[in-house]
Amino acid sequence: GQNIDQPTEMTATEGAIVQINCTYQTSGFNGLFWYQQHAGEAPTFLSYNVLDGLEEKGRFSSFLSRSKGYSYLLLKELQMKDSASYLCAVNYGQNFVFGPGTRLSVLP
Amino acid sequence: DAGVIQSPRHEVTEMGQEVTLRCKPISGHDYLFWYRQTMMRGLELLIYFNNNVPIDDSGMPEDRFSAKMPNASFSTLKIQPSEPRDSAVYFCASTQTDSSYEQYFGPGTRLTVT
Repeated sequence: GQNIDQPTEMTATEGAIVQINCTYQTSGFNGLFWYQQHAGEAPTFLSYNVLDGLEEKGRFSSFLSRSKGYSYLLLKELQMKDSASYLCAVNYGQNFVFGPGTRLSVLP
Repeated sequence: DAGVIQSPRHEVTEMGQEVTLRCKPISGHDYLFWYRQTMMRGLELLIYFNNNVPIDDSGMPEDRFSAKMPNASFSTLKIQPSEPRDSAVYFCASTQTDSSYEQYFGPGTRLTVT
């Protein structure tokens, strides 16, 4: 199979930094995505990594290590509106596989 | 652009009935994806098309499910006959080649089969 693992839930405080990890099987890897999904809404694209390293986009950054089958999404200066599920997804050639998602709660 | 359009937004039907979900991708996008999302199984890729041609339908759960894309601006996902376990939110998404594969999701169709 092409299992993708993420923590189920995380909690953080407004203004803090949180790191959401994602591990995946490396065979056939073509790229990794992070999506944000608020309750009752559709997923929205956050980032895409295909090479090793850190991609920064405003308050959000995403890191990839292809040899380790590991990625993380870093959220800085957390805001209440960041409370959502964060989905890691991997492109395995002709197949896109989504992880179970991490539900992040941001507390005041 | 209006984004990806899906209809209906909500569908309640009885077991055994036929259900047809509709999707209009973003104009100019050459890939279209159908996903299903449930609490138990998360977001699952059912099938996707490239230039209206089905590329991978290995995620379609069984023969009761079928999908078509007769032209670049329209796709359907049909379930016949429907069963209670098909209850889920069905998303359609589209993207275009050379866009880093960023997928734009529609608002989804919440299907309830009683």
